[in-house]
Amino acid sequence: VQLQESGPGLVKPSKTLSLTCTVSGGSMNGDYWSWIRQPPGKGLEWIGYIYYNGGTSYSPSLQSRVTLSVDTSKNQFFLRLNSVTTADTAIYYCARGGGWLSPTGYIWFDPWGKGTLVTVSS
Amino acid sequence: QSVLTQPPSVSGTPGQRVTMSCSGSRSNIGDYTVNWYQQVPGTAPKLLIFTNNQRPSGVPDRFSGSKSGTSASLAISGLLSEDEADYYCAAWDDGLNGWVFGGGTKLTVL
Repeated sequence: VQLQESGPGLVKPSKTLSLTCTVSGGSMNGDYWSWIRQPPGKGLEWIGYIYYNGGTSYSPSLQSRVTLSVDTSKNQFFLRLNSVTTADTAIYYCARGGGWLSPTGYIWFDPWGKGTLVTVSS
Repeated sequence: QSVLTQPPSVSGTPGQRVTMSCSGSRSNIGDYTVNWYQQVPGTAPKLLIFTNNQRPSGVPDRFSGSKSGTSASLAISGLLSEDEADYYCAAWDDGLNGWVFGGGTKLTVL
């Protein structure tokens, strides 16, 4: 399985950041899919996950601004982050995993996409 | 300030064994398994260790993980220059209801 992020590299403040993650080499069925971001020079921050059937979980710190969606027919899932500020400037990664699968537990992130840099600036 | 605490940096010479720690609390490491990711500068993170001590296919057995109580650690033996990277620990946190990461440890191979 390989993942590839795509979307605008520049977003204006107060607007909406929209990214797509395309999954190739396998089906999305039965798995969780996550978004994770990394501000330049800083650490990793989990944004949220979506189950293949559309169930979601979001980071409490971003929950009011984030929406994840999925289109399994196209093998894609999506991130929308509204009302962005310069603090949202980061490399955005998509990855498989993040949710709970019994009996294993919470599933690790693997594989990851290469990431896409999104800059918030006027 | 990250929920999981990692030392900012560690270093070692080729062939040496190094360890790095990841400290958390009952709501994360205490109740859930720990995963480790390796990030070579300029590239995406890569899964290194899952479920505390399991290595994905292709990860050399020079890398090992362990967990005790509310802390975890990553050990790298037979250090190679290619191991120079940032290493992140992660776990689910049921108090925050989300994944938490450590701030990362930068490994320098001298």
